[in-house]
Amino acid sequence: QKEVEQNSGPLSVPEGAIASLNCTYSDRGSQSFFWYRQYSGKSPELIMFIYSNGDKEDGRFTAQLNKASQYVSLLIRDSQPSDSATYLCAVNLPYRSNAGGTSYGKLTFGQGTILTVHP
Amino acid sequence: GAGVSQSPSNKVTEKGKDVELRCDPISGHTALYWYRQSLGQGLEFLIYFQGNSAPDKSGLPSDRFSAERTGGSVSTLTIQRTQQEDSAVYLCASDRDSEIPQYFGPGTRLLVL
Repeated sequence: QKEVEQNSGPLSVPEGAIASLNCTYSDRGSQSFFWYRQYSGKSPELIMFIYSNGDKEDGRFTAQLNKASQYVSLLIRDSQPSDSATYLCAVNLPYRSNAGGTSYGKLTFGQGTILTVHP
Repeated sequence: GAGVSQSPSNKVTEKGKDVELRCDPISGHTALYWYRQSLGQGLEFLIYFQGNSAPDKSGLPSDRFSAERTGGSVSTLTIQRTQQEDSAVYLCASDRDSEIPQYFGPGTRLLVL
């Protein structure tokens, strides 16, 4: 089982609709959850992060987290053609080094979901 | 202000050669990350720096890969004896002090022939 799984899509929605992107993760120790958007040929950009169960809203974006079900989703309301991109889900696990320290700098990414919003 | 910059933007090398990739983070950012992205593999963590030290280098694929950071700023990723499977886009990211790769650079596209 992959650590972070996403439906690769493509997911196609009409302009103005709600796009729903889903992600599941395998490690219950995951602490934080992130959504990145990546336009074709460009680098990823962070659009949302969530730490606690429930919903977090930022403009047209809502991230939803359910730790019991190991599930995180991203809703995009009033989708626009400019939202067409690959959306990457990432989770953060603590890393414990042999020296005894703990860091949280490693993100594990899913393969990404391609979203197309058509006019 | 200036974002994360990386050089070179493209690199073509022959199998067996060594390459050095450079990352200049946003000024004042203490956290620096290296990831790589290849077709079918997604984004893969390589190493994380906090200042000049690397609390997590667990993602480096083999001992052919090494990275250093000096002066809490510029970082260099070195790949020795390159192999064709090293071909990928190598991405650097930085952040002020959190453990989130928030600002990615444009990447270095490495092709090993």
